[in-house]
Amino acid sequence: DAGVIQSPRHEVTEMGQEVTLRCKPISGHDYLFWYRQTMMRGLELLIYFNNNVPIDDSGMPEDRFSAKMPNASFSTLKIQPSEPRDSAVYFCASSGGDPQGYTFGSGTRLTVV
Amino acid sequence: AQSVSQHNHHVILSEAASLELGCNYSYGGTVNLFWYVQYPGQHLQLLLKYFSGDPLVKGIKGFEAEFIKSKFSFNLRKPSVQWSDTAEYFCAVSPNTNAGKSTFGDGTTLTVKP
Repeated sequence: DAGVIQSPRHEVTEMGQEVTLRCKPISGHDYLFWYRQTMMRGLELLIYFNNNVPIDDSGMPEDRFSAKMPNASFSTLKIQPSEPRDSAVYFCASSGGDPQGYTFGSGTRLTVV
Repeated sequence: AQSVSQHNHHVILSEAASLELGCNYSYGGTVNLFWYVQYPGQHLQLLLKYFSGDPLVKGIKGFEAEFIKSKFSFNLRKPSVQWSDTAEYFCAVSPNTNAGKSTFGDGTTLTVKP
C-alpha cells in the first residue's frame, strides 16, 4: 500500500481564495482524521470520520472550514475564504478499527499571503 | 473522555545520554498506547505501540516503553541517544472500546547535541 496520500504537498494562495486539500486513506481503514499543526498551537484535531460519516467536527475553527468524505477512498478539507492565520501544515491520517495506530500522510503545507 | 499528559515540553541531551520521556493518561478502562515520532519537516510516524501482553514494548531504533497500569503511565526510553533522534515525540492513547480513535499528548521536543 502506498500509505496515506495527500495533495498538494505545498499550496500558496492569496487571502480570500478558496483552498481544497485532498486525502486518500489506506484501503480498508474506516477512520479518517484531519489535523492542523502550527508552532503556536501544536497538533490540533479538526475533524474525524468513521465509515465516511463525520463523527466529531468540534475542532473545526470556523464556518470557513468544511470537510467531506464522499466515499471510503477520498476526503477533502476546504477553506473558503482563506486567511493568513490559516497558514499551517495540514495532516490527514487514517486507522483501522483495531489498535494499530494511525498512519499519517506527508501533509500539505499551506501558506496564505 | 481520555486525556494524555506529556510533562516535558522540551528536553535537551548530549549524544550517548539516556532518555526518558514521560507520558501519563487518564482513562478508567482498558487502553491501547502509542508513541509517535516526528522528525523535522516530516510527518508523524508510529514508533511503538502497546495493546496487550508484555508491558515492556520495544520499537524501532532502540526505543522502548513500559506500561505501568497502576501509574497510568507509558514512558518512552532509550539508553543512548543519537543526534539523529532529534525530533518531536507524541504519546497517544485509545480506549479499547473505540480503538480506532486516539487522543494525543501535546508532544515533547527532543534536541540531541552532537
